[in-house]
Amino acid sequence: KAGVTQTPRYLIKTRGQQVTLSCSPISGHRSVSWYQQTPGQGLQFLFEYFSETQRNKGNFPGRFSGRQFSNSRSEMNVSTLELGDSALYLCASSLGTGGHQPQHFGDGTRLSIL
Amino acid sequence: EDKVVQSPLSLVVHEGDTVTLNCSYEVTNFRSLLWYKQEKKAPTFLFMLTSSGIEKKSGRLSSILDKKELFSILNITATQTGDSAIYLCAVVSVGNEKLTFGTGTRLTIIP
Repeated sequence: KAGVTQTPRYLIKTRGQQVTLSCSPISGHRSVSWYQQTPGQGLQFLFEYFSETQRNKGNFPGRFSGRQFSNSRSEMNVSTLELGDSALYLCASSLGTGGHQPQHFGDGTRLSIL
Repeated sequence: EDKVVQSPLSLVVHEGDTVTLNCSYEVTNFRSLLWYKQEKKAPTFLFMLTSSGIEKKSGRLSSILDKKELFSILNITATQTGDSAIYLCAVVSVGNEKLTFGTGTRLTIIP
């Protein structure tokens, strides 16, 4: 069974640009969550999508947005990029929502802002 | 707001030693506590502990949850170099899919 797939693996952007990251969950998983990982702040929750609806959102500015498609694939968009957005962005999927099943992570997209 | 504190921040031991990693938490309405292992890429799921499952074991790894004292420990016996990684603890509140992570414990196993 294929794991969580994130694309691209690496991305280099400049300040002010925007970026879209993609996540394909494990087959059959309907919940997709996004996290930002930085050396200073660790892993921080961005948002969760279930059945194409955002179920929960972390404390990030509105520049960070996402969506989920009918096949459970999800995209995350960051607009007006800032240097501080440089991080590893991790996607995780689980069977359901509400914390009843464990989340399984993809390898992440490493975003560097110049 | 939910909070997770892990200790120690880092640990260096020799191959064959036994290690204990600690995780204490504060959560509004506890659902579950999870342990992950992170090497270079994705955090890999190890255990999920809930009110109905407070002790888990898989090979050389085991974990317990103390809901009264609000902490969990992860034990690794007969450590191997492949156990070198960052071990992450996270909690989930009821009705929520959000994982609140601790900062992790960096474990280094010396051959």
